[in-house]
Parts: sequence; structure tokens; C-alpha cells
Amino acid sequence: AQSVTQPDIHITVSEGASLELRCNYSYGATPYLFWYVQSPGQGLQLLLKYFSGDTLVQGIKGFEAEFKRSQSSFNLRKPSVHWSDAAEYFCAVGAGITGGGNKLTFGTGTQLKVEL
Amino acid sequence: DGGITQSPKYLFRKEGQNVTLSCEQNLNHDAMYWYRQDPGQGLRLIYYSQIVNDFQKGDIAEGYSVSREKKESFPLTVTSAQKNPTAFYLCASSFGQGAETQYFGPGTRLLVL
Repeated sequence: AQSVTQPDIHITVSEGASLELRCNYSYGATPYLFWYVQSPGQGLQLLLKYFSGDTLVQGIKGFEAEFKRSQSSFNLRKPSVHWSDAAEYFCAVGAGITGGGNKLTFGTGTQLKVEL
Repeated sequence: DGGITQSPKYLFRKEGQNVTLSCEQNLNHDAMYWYRQDPGQGLRLIYYSQIVNDFQKGDIAEGYSVSREKKESFPLTVTSAQKNPTAFYLCASSFGQGAETQYFGPGTRLLVL
């Protein structure tokens, strides 16, 4: 069974500082990997995804993530954080389902606080 | 605008009552999903549907029921058998092609009176 670990429950960074959110996954085959962001009381917005190919993927809002198969990791990075980036971030691994669609397994999330 | 709508935004349930959460999408997606979100636990899959008139249990289906009579709609009923229904419920949809993205609605918060 697939699983996702986000080891940091809370992270606080200063505005303008760099950010790295950690994600480790467990999956037997080549994974589909996602990062979503959630503002309080809102749904999830897709930041970026990895299906195959280039292991460094670019997303929206200046975020990027790097897939490292040897480390089973898919860490999210941003070179300079803005106050509006304060939110909860979820890493997810997806597996295709027979008949269509995919089953996502989510990590428990990392709450990002940005200090001005 | 294409997207996923969920209603109501807040829902209150009395003891022993069944309540239904609405999810509608106009993205022409075949697959739809319901997740439950609790603080510190991430999202857990309740039910999913890959096609009209068919649906499958997810990881925490007990106490919930769904229907998929139309491609656009995937309502979730929280039954009285669900003893701890207070949570944030998220609906999602995808094209149903395998390696693909799920898009999420704004969510419904269910509270117990």
C-alpha cells in the first residue's frame, strides 16, 4: 500500500527567506506525485505534479519540486517566500485504478507560517 | 466558468439524522471522489465513482452512502451510523484516465448539534 510522510507539522519562515517542505513516499512502482495547497476553510489547489520525465518540476506561484527516486522524496521548494504563501501544504501520491481514475494518498500536511 | 461546486458551505446535523452533501461538476469529468479531512490527519478517501451508476468504497466508507445518477453529480449522505461526522468534506473530480490530476471543490464543513 502506498503512503506519504510529511515530517514537519509546522514550519515558520521569514518573508523573503527560502522554503523547503519535505515529503517522503512509499510506493512499489513509479509514483504519480502531487503538491496541493489549502488556505483555511478552502478546498485544495494544485501547485504542481510529477508523472514522468524531468525530475525537477515547476508549478504555480514560483514553487518547484524535485523527484528523487533513490531517496523516495518529492520536496517542495520556493526561493523567496511571500506572506501570502502562509497556508497548509499537502503532498500526495497517486496510483491508477482499474477502470479509470486514480487513488490519492495524502500526507498529514505541513502548516506554513510566514513572519513579516 | 468550469469547476466543482459543493453545497452547503456549512451543515448542521442533529443526533440520529441523515444529511446529504451536494457535489456538482461541469468539467465533463468521468471520475468523482469524496474525502474527509480531520485536523492533523490529512485527507482520507470515503467513496469514489469512475462512471455513472457505479461507485466503490474508499478507506473509510462506513457510515456513508453515495449515488451517481448523473455524470455531473455525486452526492454524499452522512448517515446516523457515522458516529463521528464532524469534519470538513471535500469533493474532487478527474477525467478518469489514470495518470491525472484531481480537482477539488471548496468543501463543506459538517457540525453536530
